[in-house]
Amino acid sequence: DAKTTQPPSMDCAEGRAANLPCNHSTISGNEYVYWYRQIHSQGPQYIIHGLKNNETNEMASLIITEDRKSSTLILPHATLRDTAVYYCIVYKIKAAGNKLTFGGGTRVLVKP
Amino acid sequence: NAGVTQTPKFQVLKTGQSMTLQCAQDMNHNSMYWYRQDPGMGLRLIYYSASEGTTDKGEVPNGYNVSRLNKREFSLRLESAAPSQTSVYFCASSGYTDTQYFGPGTRLTVL
Repeated sequence: DAKTTQPPSMDCAEGRAANLPCNHSTISGNEYVYWYRQIHSQGPQYIIHGLKNNETNEMASLIITEDRKSSTLILPHATLRDTAVYYCIVYKIKAAGNKLTFGGGTRVLVKP
Repeated sequence: NAGVTQTPKFQVLKTGQSMTLQCAQDMNHNSMYWYRQDPGMGLRLIYYSASEGTTDKGEVPNGYNVSRLNKREFSLRLESAAPSQTSVYFCASSGYTDTQYFGPGTRLTVL
C-alpha cells in the first residue's frame, strides 16, 4: 500500500473550515484514499473516501488532485468535537486481509 | 442499530491468565477484524475473518487465537496473557464497500 505524509499537528478556530492535507505520491491506480479520525480513547471513525473524483458527505469534503498524488480533507465548520487525530490512508479495496495502516496522522485541535 | 459492540470495556489480568474478548456487529457485514493499539501508536492487525467460517493471521498474531462464531460474532482469545499484551483492542467490520467500522475498544492491562 502507498505511504502517506501528513503534518503532525494543526490548530483551527471553531466555526472556521479546517483543511487537512495529505501527500500520497506513490498511490497506484486501484488504491482509494480514505480518511478516518480517532477522538481520544475512542475507536477510529470513518469519515470519507474517494478514488478520483471529489467527494462530499454530511461530515466532510474530500478534494483529490488530478494526478492523485495528494488530497485535502475539508471540515467545513469545525466544532470543538472535531478535535481528534485525523488519518489519511490509501489502500486497495477488495483485497483479502486488507488492513488499515494508520500512520502518525494529523492531530487537530479546534480552539474556541 | 448498535454497529460494532465489544465486551468488556476494561479488563485487568495477571500474567498467565486467559480471557476472551467479544465482538459483535449488526450490520450484516461479511468481514471482521481485530486490531491492537499501543500507547501513541497506530493500529496493528492481529487477525481477520474475510467471511463466516474463515480466519487469517494479520501482522501481529502471536499469543492470540480467534473464533468466527457466526456472521455476527468474532472473538479474540488470549490463552496465557503477558505484559506485552497490555493494549487497547479494537474490533472492526466491513461489508461490500470495504469501509471498516470500529467498536469502542477494550482496554486490557496485564500485570
